[in-house]
Amino acid sequence: EAGVTQFPSHSVIEKGQTVTLRCDPISGHDNLYWYRRVMGKEIKFLLHFVKESKQDESGMPNNRFLAERTGGTYSTLKVQPAELEDSGVYFCASSRFNEQFFGPGTRLTVL
Amino acid sequence: DQQVKQNSPSLSVQEGRISILNCDYTNSMFDYFLWYKKYPAEGPTFLISISSIKDKNEDGRFTVFLNKSAKHLSLHIVPSQPGDSAVYFCAALITGTASKLTFGTGTRLQVTL
Repeated sequence: EAGVTQFPSHSVIEKGQTVTLRCDPISGHDNLYWYRRVMGKEIKFLLHFVKESKQDESGMPNNRFLAERTGGTYSTLKVQPAELEDSGVYFCASSRFNEQFFGPGTRLTVL
Repeated sequence: DQQVKQNSPSLSVQEGRISILNCDYTNSMFDYFLWYKKYPAEGPTFLISISSIKDKNEDGRFTVFLNKSAKHLSLHIVPSQPGDSAVYFCAALITGTASKLTFGTGTRLQVTL
């Protein structure tokens, strides 16, 4: 069974540019989550999809972040325009029940 | 407000000995707890979990203990191996809604030869 995959693995952009991160969950997992780890601190929740619906987006920092999950399969997280404080590692996870399985993350650097 | 706390940022243990990683939580609504291991440049890997209706769960060399009255859980690794060297995250959630994980800040475990 393939794990959670994320693309790209790294992205370096300038302040004000747009970046789109992609996550492909484990097949059959209705729950998809986005998390972020900034400056080596704790991993913080951003939002949760159940199939294509946003169940909880309480962790989204501001309206520069837009997440979608069309068709209930893969998800994208767009940051527009990017700011310096958006730098960090963005993790995607998926689950069928309580245990969430994480992807390798996308390291975003905003210069 | 840190609802899940791992007060030891690092721990060093000799190979073959027991590693004990601790975690405290403040939200009494949490009823499911998980431990993840993370290597550099990789995502967190699920290790073991425990429901609040239990006080112990064991899987091979890994055992998690839960003390609900103290709002404390611990992960025991016996015997510790060099490949166990990684950052360990404690996480908690409120079941019923397949909800978000709340993570601790992690403990870096170093298993020495």
